[in-house]
Amino acid sequence: DVKVTQSSRYLVKRTGEKVFLECVQDMDHENMFWYRQDPGLGLRLIYFSYDVKMKEKGDIPEGYSVSREKKERFSLILESASTNQTSMYLCASSSGQGLREQYFGPGTRLTVT
Amino acid sequence: AQTVTQSQPEMSVQEAETVTLSCTYDTSENNYYLFWYKQPPSRQMILVIRQEAYKQQNATENRFSVNFQKAAKSFSLKISDSQLGDTAMYFCAFTPSYNNNDMRFGAGTRLTVKP
Repeated sequence: DVKVTQSSRYLVKRTGEKVFLECVQDMDHENMFWYRQDPGLGLRLIYFSYDVKMKEKGDIPEGYSVSREKKERFSLILESASTNQTSMYLCASSSGQGLREQYFGPGTRLTVT
Repeated sequence: AQTVTQSQPEMSVQEAETVTLSCTYDTSENNYYLFWYKQPPSRQMILVIRQEAYKQQNATENRFSVNFQKAAKSFSLKISDSQLGDTAMYFCAFTPSYNNNDMRFGAGTRLTVKP
């Protein structure tokens, strides 16, 4: 089974702090994604990566950056956390071929105070 | 741009009964994939069922089946013999065949199965 793990289930940070969210997948997938999930808005793509050191902006990249130094690991960085970044963050991965489904991590619920 | 609409924010169903969740999408593409994902309370999102647009036959996975109407751009999920464990948020998702990095999700439907 594909396993996608995220470093924290719950995180509380203060405004202005730098925040790192880590994601690791064990299926040698080429693609990795960071989404933000908010009630009534579904999942919105922040960034994705299709290879090591390669990244593309999604729909809502402002205030975020990402890093992918190894194939299995994809990090989301909030350079200076703000209260409007309080949300659930989901990481996902997928193969570059085949049936296109994405496999999700358990999510990190981030609260910025 | 592709969009996915789930018009039912919340639904409930009695255990053992059947429920249908609605999803419509907007695209100019002819080849694409559609998915239903399930997110149980405080648990990981998992794939329930997928449909490839070029296949006319509706996908089925045990108690879960879809009604795919390509011309109407409709992709509803039917859950038969509902179980308490079906209580979850359900998300409909779309991705074009040419770019599996562009997956669009609906806002979700919160389904509660009542005993």
